[in-house]
Amino acid sequence: SYELTQPPSVSVSPGQTASITCSGDKLGNKYACWYQQKPGQSPVLVIYENTKRPSGIPERFSGSNSGNTVTLTISGTQTMDEADYYCQAWVSSTGVFGGGTKLTVL
Amino acid sequence: EVQLVESGGGLVQPGGSLRLSCVASGFTFSAYEMNWVRQAPGKGLEWVSYISSSGNTKYYADFVKGRFTISRDNAKNSLYLQMNSLRAGDTALYYCAREDPSVANPIDYWGQGTLVAVSS
Repeated sequence: SYELTQPPSVSVSPGQTASITCSGDKLGNKYACWYQQKPGQSPVLVIYENTKRPSGIPERFSGSNSGNTVTLTISGTQTMDEADYYCQAWVSSTGVFGGGTKLTVL
Repeated sequence: EVQLVESGGGLVQPGGSLRLSCVASGFTFSAYEMNWVRQAPGKGLEWVSYISSSGNTKYYADFVKGRFTISRDNAKNSLYLQMNSLRAGDTALYYCAREDPSVANPIDYWGQGTLVAVSS
């Protein structure tokens, strides 16, 4: 079955840039999304179609796609960005989520 | 305002059944594809099932095939998940999730979830 691989954790200092990667076979040929989930809350879509931001998502969130890897980048990271982040893609009409990355801002 | 409100979760014994419901409001439910996504305690997100806007097309994760059935009633703005032969591994928070009809079909709205606990 298809798998999306994310690092379990990423740490960043406030104001710095955080990058979270998501890798999968031929992922560059697919569209990926990113979701943010804070403790006790439902996930929120932050990036779709690899690079697009939904309305209401701050400009500091951006996405890129290269080869077999998609990357979520948070520029000027704020303490409110501390959360779990999941990548997701549709593969053969089924949904696939990455294992999630816990972003710590300290 | 888009709202998705799940219900029907609870404690059930292994081998038992539950039917989850999700009532949608704030958008034209019949025009949207819908999904169920689950999250075991302390674990990541896991896609469970998809249903097309008409209800004619359905997909399932391998781990629920033959046990779970997704359905919808567009007249009642409702999505359902019938869960049979439940196992301890099905214990999770189950989210009702709307799929945006753009090219990448992201999930753009999530409910608050309903908790299913499978235990003897």
